[in-house]
Amino acid sequence: KQEVTQIPAALSVPEGENLVLNCSFTDSAIYNLQWFRQDPGKGLTSLLLIQSSQREQTSGRLNASLDKSSGRSTLYIAASQPGDSATYLCAVIIGRTDKLIFGTGTRLQVFP
Amino acid sequence: DGGITQSPKYLFRKEGQNVTLSCEQNLNHDAMYWYRQDPGQGLRLIYYSQIVNDFQKGDIAEGYSVSREKKESFPLTVTSAQKNPTAFYLCASSWGQGPYEQYFGPGTRLTVT
Repeated sequence: KQEVTQIPAALSVPEGENLVLNCSFTDSAIYNLQWFRQDPGKGLTSLLLIQSSQREQTSGRLNASLDKSSGRSTLYIAASQPGDSATYLCAVIIGRTDKLIFGTGTRLQVFP
Repeated sequence: DGGITQSPKYLFRKEGQNVTLSCEQNLNHDAMYWYRQDPGQGLRLIYYSQIVNDFQKGDIAEGYSVSREKKESFPLTVTSAQKNPTAFYLCASSWGQGPYEQYFGPGTRLTVT
């Protein structure tokens, strides 16, 4: 059974720091991996989607990498800002099932 | 504006009552999904539909029912058989069959007392 783990569960940093959020999964036979952002009481916003044939994706200050063999993905946030404060979730899709399996998230706080 | 809408944002019900949560999308997506989110847990899949008039159970379908009569709409009914219905419910959609990027609505917070 696929399990997705995110470390750390919570992170508090001063503005301007570069951050790395970690996501690990137990079954390397994933098809896609997707990173989301969730603000308190809100829905999920898709940040990046990495297909299994890719090693990384970039969008602005965000960079996500994927290492299937080790069962890991990292989300790198450059020059963090208070507006980046949110919970970040990673999710994987197994095979072509369309079923996302989520981690429990990393709650990020960036203070001025 | 293209997107996914869920209504209402907050919903309160008495135990033993059925309640239906609305999800509408105007993205022309074929596939739609319902997830449940509980504090300290990741999102869990309740039901999904890849095409009109067809849907499949997810990991926690017991006590829930859905319909997919129109491409744009995928309502979720929380029945009295659901033992712990209080949660945050999220609807999502994506293009067709295959693991495409999923887009989420703003969610409905259901409280049952």
